[in-house]
Amino acid sequence: ILNVEQSPQSLHVQEGDSTNFTCSFPSSNFYALHWYRWETAKSPEALFVMTLNGDEKKKGRISATLNTKEGYSYLYIKGSQPEDSATYLCAWGTGSARQLTFGSGTQLTVLP
Amino acid sequence: DVKVTQSSRYLVKRTGEKVFLECVQDMDHENMFWYRQDPGLGLRLIYFSYDVKMKEKGDIPEGYSVSREKKERFSLILESASTNQTSMYLCASSSQVGEAFFGQGTRLTVV
Repeated sequence: ILNVEQSPQSLHVQEGDSTNFTCSFPSSNFYALHWYRWETAKSPEALFVMTLNGDEKKKGRISATLNTKEGYSYLYIKGSQPEDSATYLCAWGTGSARQLTFGSGTQLTVLP
Repeated sequence: DVKVTQSSRYLVKRTGEKVFLECVQDMDHENMFWYRQDPGLGLRLIYFSYDVKMKEKGDIPEGYSVSREKKERFSLILESASTNQTSMYLCASSSQVGEAFFGQGTRLTVV
């Protein structure tokens, strides 16, 4: 099993704070890096799919960057709101297989 | 509205029973996946399929099998349910290069 690691495991921030988390993955045989948001009692939903080294994606207050050479991606949330509270998952897709390997997630709690 | 539908939200089964979890997608996706989610362990891949009748083992296939007779349907089978298979099971589908779409999950309890 090739590991995808996320840090921190959990995070509590105050409303209005900006925050970021890390996903590290094997740099060999890279195909794609996905970020998902998983809210309680719902299904995971995709935030970003990134495929190129140096990719930067943005959706509202959330953005992500990708470094495939060193095997990491950052997810940033600017001005966190209580509705951002969720578990954020990253998933690594390899070129030689069609599977997505998920990290264990970062659980974010935004306190009002 | 795209959809991945799992047949049950909650299931309670007895040890030793044969259990079928069904998943249907309406997006004509090639890839389908079965994951289980346990606290602190994230999503772990059980099996995936990239075409009809094709299947590949994921990271934790022991005690499970799968069936994909039609493109839209991917079934997970617990041949003889055990208590350590109590978990949340998530089905997902994706195109070759796109994001995964997930079902609502099945919380299985084996007693």
